[in-house]
Amino acid sequence: DGGITQSPKYLFRKEGQNVTLSCEQNLNHDAMYWYRQDPGQGLRLIYYSQIVNDFQKGDIAEGYSVSREKKESFPLTVTSAQKNPTAFYLCASTSKQGHYGYTFGSGTRLTVV
Amino acid sequence: SQKIEQNSEALNIQEGKTATLTCNYTNYSPAYLQWYRQDPGRGPVFLLLIRENEKEKRKERLKVTFDTTLKQSLFHITASQPADSATYLCALAPGQNFVFGPGTRLSVLP
Repeated sequence: DGGITQSPKYLFRKEGQNVTLSCEQNLNHDAMYWYRQDPGQGLRLIYYSQIVNDFQKGDIAEGYSVSREKKESFPLTVTSAQKNPTAFYLCASTSKQGHYGYTFGSGTRLTVV
Repeated sequence: SQKIEQNSEALNIQEGKTATLTCNYTNYSPAYLQWYRQDPGRGPVFLLLIRENEKEKRKERLKVTFDTTLKQSLFHITASQPADSATYLCALAPGQNFVFGPGTRLSVLP
């Protein structure tokens, strides 16, 4: 079955630590996205990538970094520079052609301890 | 400033009735608008897309309207069921990427 896999489902980060969230898709989609979701707020775009080896900052990129070395993979690193990282992180993908629906992963809940 | 608003954080309706959810936007000119369903602890699931030149779109018990003059989309679920209980998000594409609203939590009571 095609889809997006995010791992881990739950992640705990200590102060000053970098952590990496995994996102893998087997849908052959060109575009991939990372969103952050906080209670009562809409999804906010962190980074997106339309093609391998290229990515752009979204609305809240500070304290985050990404890479897109393979079409299938778009990992997100939450660095120690992100002061309020506790949130629900969602990865999504879509075909480049046309505005079709996004396919989302099941999310990673990150908590700072 | 640009804003997307969805009617009330939560909406309770009786089973069998039609649920109507509202998405209003300010200072956007979207070419596309989408609706998603999100269950607790899960990622959103795409339901419907409507283009700016379409007034209405239907899919089974779902109906979406898009009024670019009022800057509003309405999302209807007819003959609602308890299984329809979830948070519903609207998303609009003023440009290359979609911008999401905060969502409305719908509860269908048996």
